[in-house]
Amino acid sequence: DIVMTQSPDSLAVSLGERATIDCKSSQSVLKSSNNKNYLAWYQQKPGQPPKLLIYWASTRESGVPDRFSGSGSGTDFALTIGSLQAEDVAVYYCHQYYGVPRTFGQGTKVEIK
Amino acid sequence: EVQLVESGGDLVQPGGSLRLSCAASGFTFNDYYMDWVRQAPGKGLEWVGRSKNKGNSYTTESAASVKDRFTISRDESENSLYLQMNSLKTEDTAVYYCARDKLGVGANDYWGQGTLVTVSS
Repeated sequence: DIVMTQSPDSLAVSLGERATIDCKSSQSVLKSSNNKNYLAWYQQKPGQPPKLLIYWASTRESGVPDRFSGSGSGTDFALTIGSLQAEDVAVYYCHQYYGVPRTFGQGTKVEIK
Repeated sequence: EVQLVESGGDLVQPGGSLRLSCAASGFTFNDYYMDWVRQAPGKGLEWVGRSKNKGNSYTTESAASVKDRFTISRDESENSLYLQMNSLKTEDTAVYYCARDKLGVGANDYWGQGTLVTVSS
């Protein structure tokens, strides 16, 4: 199974400041046949289902604010919130859909400092 | 509008069975892979399994932790996805979500609100 490891487990950032979450996979999720990274990011607020933010490691889902960006390739990825807003308080998960079983990172809780 | 509505969650004793349903609307259900994902109270997300689309004969795949106990199926006529859960264990206690795979991608673009399964004596 591909193990996804996020860091840090929690993060407190001031409003308007940048927040960065790292995600490392135990093996590459880059498929050579199409040069795509099978890596997504989700946001989950309390009492709600996860919401897709980013897929293919860096493609923003429709309707997602452009302060959210994804980067990385192979085994090392990052989600950056460019200017943290109050509504961004949530838990964020990375997810690999390269192989079965699909696996998720353990989650990173983002709070306001 | 895409909607996924889960139902069937309940309190069940260890060793018992339960069947969850996910009613889909607002899209061509047969064209999409569909997943079950669960979340134990206060914990992270765990992929349970999936049903591929009609073009792939609705083939299913499951996580090792539920293989041989859980079965995923679909009803085309009802636009519904099911999760039959047998031999339930306390560690199966979780909110169960059904989620749609984004076409041509594989990440989950729509999720239901979830249904709570509690396994306890």
